[in-house]
This record gives sequence, C-alpha cells and structure tokens, in this order.
Amino acid sequence: KQEVTQIPAALSVPEGENLVLNCSFTDSAIYNLQWFRQDPGKGLTSLLLIQSSQREQTSGRLNASLDKSSGRSTLYIAASQPGDSATYLCAVRGNTPLVFGKGTRLSVIA
Amino acid sequence: DAGVIQSPRHEVTEMGQEVTLRCKPISGHNSLFWYRQTMMRGLELLIYFNNNVPIDDSGMPEDRFSAKMPNASFSTLKIQPSEPRDSAVYFCASSPESYNSPLHFGNGTRLTVT
Repeated sequence: KQEVTQIPAALSVPEGENLVLNCSFTDSAIYNLQWFRQDPGKGLTSLLLIQSSQREQTSGRLNASLDKSSGRSTLYIAASQPGDSATYLCAVRGNTPLVFGKGTRLSVIA
Repeated sequence: DAGVIQSPRHEVTEMGQEVTLRCKPISGHNSLFWYRQTMMRGLELLIYFNNNVPIDDSGMPEDRFSAKMPNASFSTLKIQPSEPRDSAVYFCASSPESYNSPLHFGNGTRLTVT
C-alpha cells in the first residue's frame, strides 16, 4: 500500500528566502507525482505534475524534482512571498488514484 | 470554465440524519473522485468513477456511505444515518480520462454532525 510522507509538517520563513519542501513515497511504481497548494477553507490547486519518466518540472518560481528510484520529490520555492503562505500537498498516482501526504503548512513572514 | 462545483459549502446536521453532498464536475472530464479530509487522517479517497461507472469504492468507510453518478455532469455522496465521526471536509475532484492529467478540486463541503 502506497504511503506518502511530507516533512516538515510546518515551516515558517522570512520573505525572500528560498525554501525546499520534501515528499517521500514507499512504492516507486508510479505514473506521476503531483504537487498541490491548499489555502484555508478552499480546495486544492494543482501546481506541478511530474510524469514518472521526468526528473523535474518548473513553473515560475516553483521547481519540483522527482527521484523515483529513491521515492523522493522536492518542491523548491524561490524568493518566497507572503502570498505563498498555504499548505502544500504532495500526491502520487500509481495503479490507484492519487494518494496524498498530509502536507506542509508554510508561513512566509513579511 | 466554472471549475468543479460542490454544494452545500457547509452542512450542520444532527446525528442520525441523512446527508447528501452534491458535485458537478468540469464539463468533458471523464473521471470523478470523492475525497474526505480530516486533521488526523489527511485526504482519503472514498470512491471514484470513470465514465459514470464506479471503479473502486474500497475507501467508503461503511455501508452508511453511498455514491452515485447518474450522468456525466452530476454526482452525489450520501451518508445515512450520519454520525459525529463523519464530520470532515468532503472534496469532489475531476480529471480528463488520463493517468497523467492533473486533478481539479472543488472547494469542498464542510460537514459537522452533532
């Protein structure tokens, strides 16, 4: 059974800092890995999708990497802003629909 | 595109009552998913449909839970009878019929059972 773990559970950084969020998964037989953002009281918004054959994906200040063999992914956020404050969730898709980690709650302090 | 639409946004009910949650997926999306989110357990898949057909309902916690998708533009999740431990945020999500398509989530229904 696939299990997804995200560390740390919460993170607070000053504005302008670069930061890395971590995600690990137990079963490397995946089709893709997705990163989502969740704002309080809202649904999840897809940020990046990395297919199993890819090593990384970039969107603006966000860069996600995937090391399928070691069961790890990172989400790198450059030059963080207060508007980046949210919970970031990682999810993997294998033979079953997306299995989610519990997320990292990020606070960017102005 | 209006996105995935869920109703109601909030539901407060008493233990033992029937609760029905509704979802309208994005037009053209063939897959629909119901998830439940709690602080303790995070996001858990309850059931998903492909082309209106339930594919996997192994995540449905008990027989008190049932889901239907009578057509491509509407799905319901029903809890009968409801219990306090059912209190959670219930999300509906949809995607095109592809393993490598991102999921689009609704804003959820926050259910409180007293």
